[in-house]
Amino acid sequence: GAVVSQHPSRVICKSGTSVKIECRSLDFQATTMFWYRQFPKKSLMLMATSNEGSKATYEQGVEKDKFLINHASLTLSTLTVTSAHPEDSSFYICSASVAGGTDTQYFGPGTRLTVL
Amino acid sequence: SQKIEQNSEALNIQEGKTATLTCNYTNYSPAYLQWYRQDPGRGPVFLLLIRENEKEKRKERLKVTFDTTLKQSLFHITASQPADSATYLCALPMDSNYQLIWGAGTKLIIKP
Repeated sequence: GAVVSQHPSRVICKSGTSVKIECRSLDFQATTMFWYRQFPKKSLMLMATSNEGSKATYEQGVEKDKFLINHASLTLSTLTVTSAHPEDSSFYICSASVAGGTDTQYFGPGTRLTVL
Repeated sequence: SQKIEQNSEALNIQEGKTATLTCNYTNYSPAYLQWYRQDPGRGPVFLLLIRENEKEKRKERLKVTFDTTLKQSLFHITASQPADSATYLCALPMDSNYQLIWGAGTKLIIKP
């Protein structure tokens, strides 16, 4: 149980284009989803916290207009990197918390974004 | 602000031995602490959660301790196997919500 999927797993795009990454909880309802960014050999960096039906809460330094997050249902959250640039190239990972107060986060497999 | 410190150097352990990883935090004692495993190019996988009133928790070959006086958690893998090779992350909550603060992880290498 508690499986989270991400799509796509890898994406290569040209500079200036937008990329959408989907995060789905497959067998549970996720009231809260998190989006992280991870650089090689570095800790997970929380970008934003997303609650179903409300606006995402962005961490300091994360541009909300650049990283658009939508959490339209209890099983789906999307992250759109708008007008991507090479410095946006990274490993993006989503996680979901099981509704009901469980403390554990269940992670998706991650999306490797490369912007040329 | 709360910080987490994990040994950034890779830990090399001979197969069959016990591997011990350390997670130290600097400020307030959290209500709980979690350990995750991350393989290259993959998202972290939850392993164990230990609460502040628990001194020790076990799951198969895994054992986690939580010392709120030392502000430290130890993660042990007994009878280690090459398949245990991965990066192990500790995380603890920022506050009363679900947000977690993450350590940078320690890479564990089990040599056959």
